[in-house]
Amino acid sequence: QVQLQESGPGLVKPSEILSLTCTVSGGSIGGYYWSWIRQPPGKGLEWLGYIYYTGRTNYNPSLKSRVTVSVDTSKNQFYLKLNSVTAADTAVYYCARDGIGNYGIGFDIWGQGTMVTVAS
Amino acid sequence: SSELTQDPAVSVALGQTVRITCQGDSLRSSYASWYQQKPGQAPVLVFYGKNNRPSEIPDRFSGSSSGNTASLTITGAQAEDEADYYCNSRDSSGYNLVFGEGTKLTVL
Repeated sequence: QVQLQESGPGLVKPSEILSLTCTVSGGSIGGYYWSWIRQPPGKGLEWLGYIYYTGRTNYNPSLKSRVTVSVDTSKNQFYLKLNSVTAADTAVYYCARDGIGNYGIGFDIWGQGTMVTVAS
Repeated sequence: SSELTQDPAVSVALGQTVRITCQGDSLRSSYASWYQQKPGQAPVLVFYGKNNRPSEIPDRFSGSSSGNTASLTITGAQAEDEADYYCNSRDSSGYNLVFGEGTKLTVL
């Protein structure tokens, strides 16, 4: 079965770049939309952006200037970069799979999440 | 504030039926998906689209939609259903995705 695994630094300094990788195992990254979603401690879920396996992207308007999502189909991985981080970016970051050939269908597979803390 | 509005908290007696709602203008043209999240765990998809439930989800979970409101109904709530529930859909532009603020369900 398809599984997702987030990886990356657990601590990032303010004003630096948060970089995470999501590795897709047990299936192909092709055909699906893939999203990054985060959850600050004690708060709700926030969608950050999605990427189609072709490279087409779309981002949360509130973060659009700071977020970049990319994909490497040869490695079955997709990536998140968030620039100029502040303490407000401290959260559990999840990667998730959306619909085949369309987005907004439903995130049927999630990674376990990785906690990222922004602090000096 | 989110484009999708949920009640912050709802309670239900064990074995009774509870409806969790999600309101937003985008729901007039897009279906919602629903997620259950227990403490320290990743969210789990429990219902999506017009009438779709993942195979591993008990059939006491069902969804519906009318106008600008999507609903998740749990018929015969169990103790293990106590969790946070989030709705998700496209926003009013149709291009972005948005989550509701979440509803904390307590099973009494």
